[in-house]
Amino acid sequence: DGGITQSPKYLFRKEGQNVTLSCEQNLNHDAMYWYRQDPGQGLRLIYYSQIVNDFQKGDIAEGYSVSREKKESFPLTVTSAQKNPTAFYLCASSSTGTVNEKLFFGSGTQLSVL
Amino acid sequence: QKEVEQNSGPLSVPEGAIASLNCTYSDRGSQSFFWYRQYSGKSPELIMSIYSNGDKEDGRFTAQLNKASQYVSLLIRDSQPSDSATYLCAVNPGGGNKLTFGTGTQLKVEL
Repeated sequence: DGGITQSPKYLFRKEGQNVTLSCEQNLNHDAMYWYRQDPGQGLRLIYYSQIVNDFQKGDIAEGYSVSREKKESFPLTVTSAQKNPTAFYLCASSSTGTVNEKLFFGSGTQLSVL
Repeated sequence: QKEVEQNSGPLSVPEGAIASLNCTYSDRGSQSFFWYRQYSGKSPELIMSIYSNGDKEDGRFTAQLNKASQYVSLLIRDSQPSDSATYLCAVNPGGGNKLTFGTGTQLKVEL
């Protein structure tokens, strides 16, 4: 079945540690996105990529990094510089690189700080 | 002023009633508008998109857009308990490649 797979479902980070969230899609979509969702808040864009080897900062990119070496994969690293990383992280993709297309979301990763 | 504003709710409606969800936005250049439904602990799913003024109907759902007043609404007819979820309004401001989401309105459909 086609879709977006995020892993792990739950992740715990120790202080000073970098952690990486995985996002893989087999929809052959060009664009991929990372959003962060905090309780009572809407989704906020962290990074997005419209083509391989290219990505753009979103509204809250500080403390995060990404790579897009393959069309199928868009991993997100939460660095130690992100002081408040506890949130629900959602990866999404769209077919033609524009948000006017339907966004398909993964099932999310809940990140917590130990 | 937030770019996309929604009443957080909860909005409670009885089963079979019409649920009306509203959203206002600040960027007059916005061209694309979306409603996503998110069940608790799950990821959002697109239920409606609208690009021009007026109404757009899809089954029990109707999206309404008024660009002059800068609001977009979602009507759910014959509400069912399975419609209980958080509804996120999303706007593409200025035609760029980013969506701005509202905080969502929690809808509860009661038996």
